[in-house]
Amino acid sequence: GQNIDQPTEMTATEGAIVQINCTYQTSGFNGLFWYQQHAGEAPTFLSYNVLDGLEEKGRFSSFLSRSKGYSYLLLKELQMKDSASYLCAVRDWNGNAGNMLTFGGGTRLMVKP
Amino acid sequence: DAGVTQSPTHLIKTRGQQVTLRCSPKSGHDTVSWYQQALGQGPQFIFQYYEEEERQRGNFPDRFSGHQFPNYSSELNVNALLLGDSALYLCASSPGEPNTGELFFGEGSRLTVL
Repeated sequence: GQNIDQPTEMTATEGAIVQINCTYQTSGFNGLFWYQQHAGEAPTFLSYNVLDGLEEKGRFSSFLSRSKGYSYLLLKELQMKDSASYLCAVRDWNGNAGNMLTFGGGTRLMVKP
Repeated sequence: DAGVTQSPTHLIKTRGQQVTLRCSPKSGHDTVSWYQQALGQGPQFIFQYYEEEERQRGNFPDRFSGHQFPNYSSELNVNALLLGDSALYLCASSPGEPNTGELFFGEGSRLTVL
């Protein structure tokens, strides 16, 4: 089985930087994903890490440490539109070539002026 | 290029009834997964279909069943509805190969059970 933990809520100021942490325990790790979900909308893909290190994509970066079971999502130059829930998800390889993701509960980020 | 489309967007049922939700995957995708998302929670995996067969299943009772058609579209059926089945049901599609793992989600079907 898998266990994924992330903070429930965070608040940050427009223009600032925020880091959302995610820790996980899994039996067959095969990749970690971050999704953004605005209220009432579908989750949208932000990033994917399968090897240790930092992946940068514009204002968003994601880091992974497999040995520590740890990832973070870094959002720079925060904008009001970044107010959303951020979902950490782990893909577990079960030998069946599936894409089953196990999601954390999500971190609701509120960006204030 | 149409993304993942789901129908209906909203529906209300009463306890004991049955519901069918529908999903058309993104063009070029042949794998469809269904997730249940309760309010304020992350999505929970229900099952995944590939080549018209259920390939993986999460921890959901047999009341939850599904089907995939030759055109890769899919249905989720829930029988004997319970109040606790009220949730947003998300369909996600992905290509079978290459297996990048990225899922493309539809807007979801919000089910309310009274």
